[in-house]
Amino acid sequence: GAVVSQHPSWVICKSGTSVKIECRSLDFQATTMFWYRQFPKQSLMLMATSNEGSKATYEQGVEKDKFLINHASLTLSTLTVTSAHPEDSSFYICSARGGQVDWVYEQYFGPGTRLTVT
Amino acid sequence: GQNIDQPTEMTATEGAIVQINCTYQTSGFNGLFWYQQHAGEAPTFLSYNVLDGLEEKGRFSSFLSRSKGYSYLLLKELQMKDSASYLCAALDSNYQLIWGAGTKLIIKP
Repeated sequence: GAVVSQHPSWVICKSGTSVKIECRSLDFQATTMFWYRQFPKQSLMLMATSNEGSKATYEQGVEKDKFLINHASLTLSTLTVTSAHPEDSSFYICSARGGQVDWVYEQYFGPGTRLTVT
Repeated sequence: GQNIDQPTEMTATEGAIVQINCTYQTSGFNGLFWYQQHAGEAPTFLSYNVLDGLEEKGRFSSFLSRSKGYSYLLLKELQMKDSASYLCAALDSNYQLIWGAGTKLIIKP
């Protein structure tokens, strides 16, 4: 099956610093990757959609200068939270979609990254 | 606008059957997904329906009625490990997933 990894699985950082989260598709080429944020006891909130080699499309209300997304290859996307603040503490989940797997439009999720900003 | 509705929380007894309903309104429709999410973990795929009818996969079944904009997930022989949130998501005309808020399922012994 399709596997997506995320690194790190959890991170604690100080307010004002930047944190980079990596999302990799391990056994397929991800033409599209999605970044979600989930606060406790709430549903997934889509932050942005990125296609390999092009700029990410951000959802309304998500600051593109604060949440930098790079999808430089078909197997790697990164999310950088710049100048993190305690309110950015959340569970960040990436998912990937590729055209060559059985379910063309299914999204395969990474295990998530729990970010705590102190 | 696009909207997915599902109950916030349901409770069921171990060994019983539970049905989680989902209604959707989307701009175009290319199928409906059900995902399971345990607390603190990422969602995992359960099912995908694009045609009307029932798809059975072990203890889990998923049903779709496109004319009614309605789907349900049926869980049989409930086990304690089935306690989780169940997310309904519809694929719109742009092949973007529109997510419901999730149904928290509580299983009691």
